[in-house]
Amino acid sequence: GAVVSQHPSRVICKSGTSVKIECRSLDFQATTMFWYRQFPKQSLMLMATSNEGSKATYEQGVEKDKFLINHASLTLSTLTVTSAHPEDSSFYICSASPGQKYTFGSGTRLTVV
Amino acid sequence: QQQVKQSPQSLIVQKGGISIINCAYENTAFDYFPWYQQFPGKGPALLIAIRPDVSEKKEGRFTISFNKSAKQFSLHIMDSQPGDSATYFCAPGSSSNTGKLIFGQGTTLQVKP
Repeated sequence: GAVVSQHPSRVICKSGTSVKIECRSLDFQATTMFWYRQFPKQSLMLMATSNEGSKATYEQGVEKDKFLINHASLTLSTLTVTSAHPEDSSFYICSASPGQKYTFGSGTRLTVV
Repeated sequence: QQQVKQSPQSLIVQKGGISIINCAYENTAFDYFPWYQQFPGKGPALLIAIRPDVSEKKEGRFTISFNKSAKQFSLHIMDSQPGDSATYFCAPGSSSNTGKLIFGQGTTLQVKP
């Protein structure tokens, strides 16, 4: 149980375009989901907390207008990287917690060319 | 207050040996102390976690030791296997802080056959 599915696993986009990443909790409801970013050989950095039915909470230094988060249902949160640039290329990972255990998606490798 | 320090940065162990990774934290509000295992290109997977009311927890070859007064916890991998070669993260969190996890810097473990 407690599966978090993330889609797509890989995406390549042109600079200036937008990319949407989906995070779904498959067998539990998640009022809160978390979005992380991980650069090569580095740790996971929390970007924002996604709250079902309300605005996301962004960590300091994360541009909310660039990284749009929508948590429209209890099983789906989306992260849209708007006007992507090469420096946005990274590994994006979502997480949700069905109780006391935090489960992570398999991640999305974004490459902006 | 939320700084988490993990050591060592990298570790090489012979097959059958013991791998030990340490995590020091500052925030006394943390009440959840997990270790995650991450393989390249994948999201982190929960390995083992402990709550502050116990000092040690063992699951198979994996043991967490927790020292509340020193604000440290460690991961011990007994009988290390080549398949354990991965990056390990400590990621303490607080249930009073919307459940956010603060990741350590990571430890790259290589188990030599």
